Amino acid sequence: EPEVTQTPSHQVTQMGQEVILRCVPISNHLYFYWYRQILGQKVEFLVSFYNNEISEKSEIFDDQFSVERPDGSNFTLKIRSTKLEDSAMYFCASIMSTEAFFGQGTRLTVV
Amino acid sequence: GIQVEQSPPDLILQEGANSTLRCNFSDSVNNLQWFHQNPWGQLINLFYIPSGTKQNGRLSATTVATERYSLLYISSSQTTDSGVYFCAVELEGNQFYFGTGTSLTVIP
Repeated sequence: EPEVTQTPSHQVTQMGQEVILRCVPISNHLYFYWYRQILGQKVEFLVSFYNNEISEKSEIFDDQFSVERPDGSNFTLKIRSTKLEDSAMYFCASIMSTEAFFGQGTRLTVV
Repeated sequence: GIQVEQSPPDLILQEGANSTLRCNFSDSVNNLQWFHQNPWGQLINLFYIPSGTKQNGRLSATTVATERYSLLYISSSQTTDSGVYFCAVELEGNQFYFGTGTSLTVIP
């Protein structure tokens, strides 16, 4: 079974600090995504990435967020100055054709 | 935007019981997937099922795309089945919309 790998599994950071969440998508997949789930709520779309650029983003994905694929394999989500309300599970997904494979998530806690 | 509703919102089962979870969606979709979110928050892929029926062990799923619903069947439930079950649908553009979830608790 193909697997999307996310690191770290859990990160605690102080408010105002920058964090980088990492994802290794499945090789040969073309579309990459970040989703967020605030505790007890639905999983929400943040951003999609195709051909080394953002193809779509939600209202949540403001200037504090950025994504990149620095080395052709890793896919990162950066939050520049974390806020308390950024505390959530962050999921990476990659898609080939139409089937999505989600990573196990990174639990981000902002204190 | 598309609405994805799941029912029931909460379900408590005795170990060994069977259950059916439902996902209704308001528009035609390219894809539908079911996920299990375990108590640690991890999303586990269960089924990729834009149409038809699939089975995997004690779990099976059916999607009737023309009627815009999907069902997830859990037979002989075990305590490890506890967690939240999400369906997610994909429209054009590969963005997934998640449902509201069904929280399942299986008691021994």
